[in-house]
Amino acid sequence: GAVVSQHPSWVICKSGTSVKIECRSLDFQATTMFWYRQFPKQSLMLMATSNEGSKATYEQGVEKDKFLINHASLTLSTLTVTSAHPEDSSFYICSARRIRTGYTFGSGTRLTVV
Amino acid sequence: GQQLNQSPQSMFIQEGEDVSMNCTSSSIFNTWLWYKQDPGEGPVLLIALYKAGELTSNGRLTAQFGITRKDSFLNISASIPSDVGIYFCAGQLRDNYGQNFVFGPGTRLSVLP
Repeated sequence: GAVVSQHPSWVICKSGTSVKIECRSLDFQATTMFWYRQFPKQSLMLMATSNEGSKATYEQGVEKDKFLINHASLTLSTLTVTSAHPEDSSFYICSARRIRTGYTFGSGTRLTVV
Repeated sequence: GQQLNQSPQSMFIQEGEDVSMNCTSSSIFNTWLWYKQDPGEGPVLLIALYKAGELTSNGRLTAQFGITRKDSFLNISASIPSDVGIYFCAGQLRDNYGQNFVFGPGTRLSVLP
């Protein structure tokens, strides 16, 4: 149980375009999901907390208008990187929390902006 | 904010050797979690610890929740090549639906054949 599916697993896009990443909880409902960014050989950096039916909570230094988060249902959260630039290239990981089992992570999305 | 320290940052071991890594903090945590991340993948939960002093095993992995609630260790016995990856600890301060897990910087493990 507690499976989180993330899609796509990798994406290459041109500078200036937008990219949408999906995170789905497959066998449980997640009122809260989390989005992380990970640079090579670095730890996970929390970007924002996605709340079903309400606005996401962004960590300090994360641009809300650049990283749009939508959590329209109890099983789906999306992260849209708008007007992507090469410096946005990174590994993005989502997770959802189940009580007492901590976080279950998606498999990650490697974004490359060219 | 709260921070977790993991040591060692990286380690190279021979296949078959035992491995020990730990996670420490200046804060008290209610839950400790250990994750492993393979290259290009998301972290996968290995062991969850909920009580001070708790010792839990998962196959060749053993983890303990420190008595002081400020630390935890993870041991891997008889390492094999597929143990290669980054091991993250995470501590939870309180049980609610907010973001209250803090992740350590990770220990990068390399296993030499």
